[in-house]
Amino acid sequence: EPEVTQTPSHQVTQMGQEVILRCVPISNHLYFYWYRQILGQKVEFLVSFYNNEISEKSEIFDDQFSVERPDGSNFTLKIRSTKLEDSAMYFCASSGLVSYNEQFFGPGTRLTVL
Amino acid sequence: SQQGEEDPQALSIQEGENATMNCSYKTSINNLQWYRQNSGRGLVHLILIRSNEREKHSGRLRVTLDTSKKSSSLLITASRAADTASYFCATDATGGFKTIFGAGTRLFVKA
Repeated sequence: EPEVTQTPSHQVTQMGQEVILRCVPISNHLYFYWYRQILGQKVEFLVSFYNNEISEKSEIFDDQFSVERPDGSNFTLKIRSTKLEDSAMYFCASSGLVSYNEQFFGPGTRLTVL
Repeated sequence: SQQGEEDPQALSIQEGENATMNCSYKTSINNLQWYRQNSGRGLVHLILIRSNEREKHSGRLRVTLDTSKKSSSLLITASRAADTASYFCATDATGGFKTIFGAGTRLFVKA
């Protein structure tokens, strides 16, 4: 069964460093998303992406964040200068054209900022 | 702002019992979804119910939606220890590119 994959599973970085979180969505999906979940809190929407551009983004998704689909398979989230409060699980999701609300989530990347 | 809120926050039941979780939201939606998350893991999509549907079944899951009350419920029948997880409802804004999750219900099923 096709699934969304994410790498790395755990990333530890120093405050101020740049990180890139990678996702491989399901191959025939056209909508891509990033969410984050701070430990013990709810899942928060960050950004959605379609047709090589951002469809919608939340207040969390400020200038420190960017997304890219550098090739036909990867979807990346870059945090330019990490802060302690960026420590969270980051989930990538994708959905197809017909049932675009039915999002399939990856296993997540745990980001720890020291 | 649109938001899904689940209650109870935590639920502990015996294996074989039914578990009911509720979700309320604030604004009009196109659909509502329920997800499960095992501790430290990703989200698993359980079921989607559209705004023009009132009830939907999938295996041991039964979801209801009352758009007049802006609420939904998830019923898990004949629960199993493996159902232990957090359950989230999620709603979309018109247009559907932004999904808002509630805080979740932590379900613990005792064997």
